Amino acid sequence: DGGITQSPKYLFRKEGQNVTLSCEQNLNHDAMYWYRQDPGQGLRLIYYSQIVNDFQKGDIAEGYSVSREKKESFPLTVTSAQKNPTAFYLCASSIWGDGELFFGEGSRLTVL
Amino acid sequence: QKEVEQNSGPLSVPEGAIASLNCTYSDRGSQSFFWYRQYSGKSPELIMSIYSNGDKEDGRFTAQLNKASQYVSLLIRDSQPSDSATYLCAGNFGNEKLTFGTGTRLTIIP
Repeated sequence: DGGITQSPKYLFRKEGQNVTLSCEQNLNHDAMYWYRQDPGQGLRLIYYSQIVNDFQKGDIAEGYSVSREKKESFPLTVTSAQKNPTAFYLCASSIWGDGELFFGEGSRLTVL
Repeated sequence: QKEVEQNSGPLSVPEGAIASLNCTYSDRGSQSFFWYRQYSGKSPELIMSIYSNGDKEDGRFTAQLNKASQYVSLLIRDSQPSDSATYLCAGNFGNEKLTFGTGTRLTIIP
């Protein structure tokens, strides 16, 4: 079945640690996205990528980094520079320019 | 800054009634709009898209777009308890990225 796989589903981090969230898709989509969702809030765009080896900052990129070495993969690193990283992180993919996003199941990060 | 505004709710609707969810936006250059449903603790899923003025129907769902008034709505007929969720409105304003509203929490009362 085609879809998007995010891992891990739950992650705990100590302050000062970097963590990497995995996102893999087999939908053959060019575009991939990372969103952050806080309780009772909508989705805020962290980074997005239109094609392999290219990515752009979204609205809240500070404290995050990404790579796009393969079409299928778009990992997100939450660095120690992110001051308030506890949130629900969602990865999505789409045909570029199409607003129909397909989401993974999400990764819930908690900072201890 | 292009914005999409939604009433956060909660909106409570009796089972079998029509639920009406509304969304306004600030950019006249908008092209298309999308409604996503998100169950608690889950990821969003697309339920409706609308690209031109007027109504678009899909089963119990109807999306309405009025570009002159900068207004998008989602109607859910014959509401069911399984429709209880948060509904996110999103707009594509020509820069090929979606802008999401904060969502409206809908509760269907049996």
